[in-house]
Amino acid sequence: GQNIDQPTEMTATEGAIVQINCTYQTSGFNGLFWYQQHAGEAPTFLSYNVLDGLEEKGRFSSFLSRSKGYSYLLLKELQMKDSASYLCAEVVTDKLIFGTGTRLQVFP
Amino acid sequence: DSGVTQTPKHLITATGQRVTLRCSPRSGDLSVYWYQQSLDQGLQFLIQYYNGEERAKGNILERFSAQQFPDLHSELNLSSLELGDSALYFCASSVVQGAASYEQYFGPGTRLTVT
Repeated sequence: GQNIDQPTEMTATEGAIVQINCTYQTSGFNGLFWYQQHAGEAPTFLSYNVLDGLEEKGRFSSFLSRSKGYSYLLLKELQMKDSASYLCAEVVTDKLIFGTGTRLQVFP
Repeated sequence: DSGVTQTPKHLITATGQRVTLRCSPRSGDLSVYWYQQSLDQGLQFLIQYYNGEERAKGNILERFSAQQFPDLHSELNLSSLELGDSALYFCASSVVQGAASYEQYFGPGTRLTVT
C-alpha cells in the first residue's frame, strides 16, 4: 500500500501494552480502519476512525489525527493470541487501501 | 465465521491456464470486493461490485476480470496465469455501496498456486 506506512514487525511480552503506528496520505482521506489478520486467515475488523480522537473497545483502542495523517492501534494486556498481523487501511475516496501490515509477536 | 464464503479453498494450476474463483457475500450485502495478497505485499484492492454493477477498480490486471450475478454472488476470472499470480485471493462484502464508514467482512480466501 503506497499510501500507508507502518512498521513491519514488533515484539512484546504477554501482559504488556503495545502501540502500532500508521501514517497515511491525507489527500482523499475518508476514514481509517484497523484489521487483525492471523497467518493464512481472513482479516477481521478491529476499529474504524473518521474523526480525531481515541476510540476505545475493550483491550484495543485506536487513535486518529487527521491533520497529521497519523493513527495508532493500542493493545493492552497482551495475550498470546494477539500474535498476528495488524493492518492499517485508509479509505481514499471510495477505495480501501491497505498497508503491508505490522506483524506482532507476543512472547510469554 | 464472517458469513462470506469462497470456493475453492485451494487451487493449484499451471502457467497459462485460466481459473475462476467464486464468492458468496453475507446475506443482505450488496457490495463485493476482491483483494489479492501476495507474500511480500499487503492486501491489494482489485475490484468492487455493487448490486451487479462495477463500482470501483484498483490495480487489476487486464488478464483478470470479475462479475457479480443477479443472486449477488461474484466470480473472479484469472487468465493466462503467471507464477507471480500465486497469492491469497480474498473476497469481502459490505451492505453499502461505498468503502467508507462500514466494515468489510472477509471470506476465508482462495489460495492460488501457479506452477
